Amino acid sequence: SQQGEEDPQALSIQEGENATMNCSYKTSINNLQWYRQNSGRGLVHLILIRSNEREKHSGRLRVTLDTSKKSSSLLITASRAADTASYFCATVPLSAQKLVFGQGTRLTINP
Amino acid sequence: EAQVTQNPRYLITVTGKKLTVTCSQNMNHEYMSWYRQDPGLGLRQIYYSMNVEVTDKGDVPEGYKVSRKEKRNFPLILESPSPNQTSLYFCASARGTEAFFGQGTRLTVV
Repeated sequence: SQQGEEDPQALSIQEGENATMNCSYKTSINNLQWYRQNSGRGLVHLILIRSNEREKHSGRLRVTLDTSKKSSSLLITASRAADTASYFCATVPLSAQKLVFGQGTRLTINP
Repeated sequence: EAQVTQNPRYLITVTGKKLTVTCSQNMNHEYMSWYRQDPGLGLRQIYYSMNVEVTDKGDVPEGYKVSRKEKRNFPLILESPSPNQTSLYFCASARGTEAFFGQGTRLTVV
């Protein structure tokens, strides 16, 4: 069953703007990860945040985690056309050693 | 170069004709997994393997088999493919919890 739910399902913004995507999940987790997928290709790992962390940065990416609300957000600052892709959150539940993916957010950056 | 390699990338087959999609990783990862991706349903796990000779069902294992005879290879077997198995398939391997994905196999069963 899908644990992560991304919101929105699709997002279209202008180049240079910031893009924010949200993810909610249901069970307690070890960590939460964000992946990027270019159309029809494999997923690429972007960033991992552990359950005892609240915020993490990597280049133009900023991830937050609120375990009390069982939610996470991915912020991409100063977006570029090359950021156009689908973004997935994935959780590693405490009860299982596996990644559980959400349905993804389709991000389009308009030049 | 660290990578997960799937073959074939594209496959069109007929109902009932057994097929195997191969997956190989060169990172000495213990954990490997197969997913299918369908529009509106995201990625769903088919099978996973924690180590050689250890495999477990994921969320949608019906109609699929796997084997893990050696650490680097994790083939996905469809004994009797049906049209509802038309999908985009991904193999992944993991170190700790970060997963590395193959490029995908687009399977069409007619």
